[in-house]
Amino acid sequence: DSGVTQTPKHLITATGQRVTLRCSPRSGDLSVYWYQQSLDQGLQFLIQYYNGEERAKGNILERFSAQQFPDLHSELNLSSLELGDSALYFCASSGLEGPPYEQYFGPGTRLTVT
Amino acid sequence: AQKVTQAQTEISVVEKEDVTLDCVYETRDTTYYLFWYKQPPSGELVFLIRRNSFDEQNEISGRYSWNFQKSTSSFNFTITASQVVDSAVYFCALDERGNTPLVFGKGTRLSVIA
Repeated sequence: DSGVTQTPKHLITATGQRVTLRCSPRSGDLSVYWYQQSLDQGLQFLIQYYNGEERAKGNILERFSAQQFPDLHSELNLSSLELGDSALYFCASSGLEGPPYEQYFGPGTRLTVT
Repeated sequence: AQKVTQAQTEISVVEKEDVTLDCVYETRDTTYYLFWYKQPPSGELVFLIRRNSFDEQNEISGRYSWNFQKSTSSFNFTITASQVVDSAVYFCALDERGNTPLVFGKGTRLSVIA
């Protein structure tokens, strides 16, 4: 158990809808990362937050947004969903025991868009 | 730009055989960190090892061993006496400077047949 929790575990929704994925980092970790794993693109970095502020941005679509709250949990919002958004979404967190600031991954949320 | 290449898409071995998974990386940084993760059929990402760029000592952990060679920019992973439970997708990843999002290779799917 990495200590990172993600909810929900599975999500099935229709095209055009909006969903929110939630991540709670390990206790004390200030950094949260979001990654997307799809069959065609592999594991790709989406966005990173550090103590509430956006730190780095990867291949995140404009339809997607994220935020990190004062209690350090993070949410990834996906809107106007398309079939191609079906993927496994991972959250990872890292603390200050580094460098390297090793990333601990949550179990993922599997999103299916129908 | 940083890049991680896992040229082997799928490998199939018979139980008890040794198998090596290849990983080649590209980076301009002199300080960087390399990782291997295992993704079993259940889907979670399991951390296996972290290696610093300034430490080229090979590492052994039980049946697992890693060969890091800066001269060839490779970080290969060997499983000795493979077991069915080793069947999974294995990812190699790169973190430049120790506090950046991970860049993953496409992964190698290992099937160990009894």
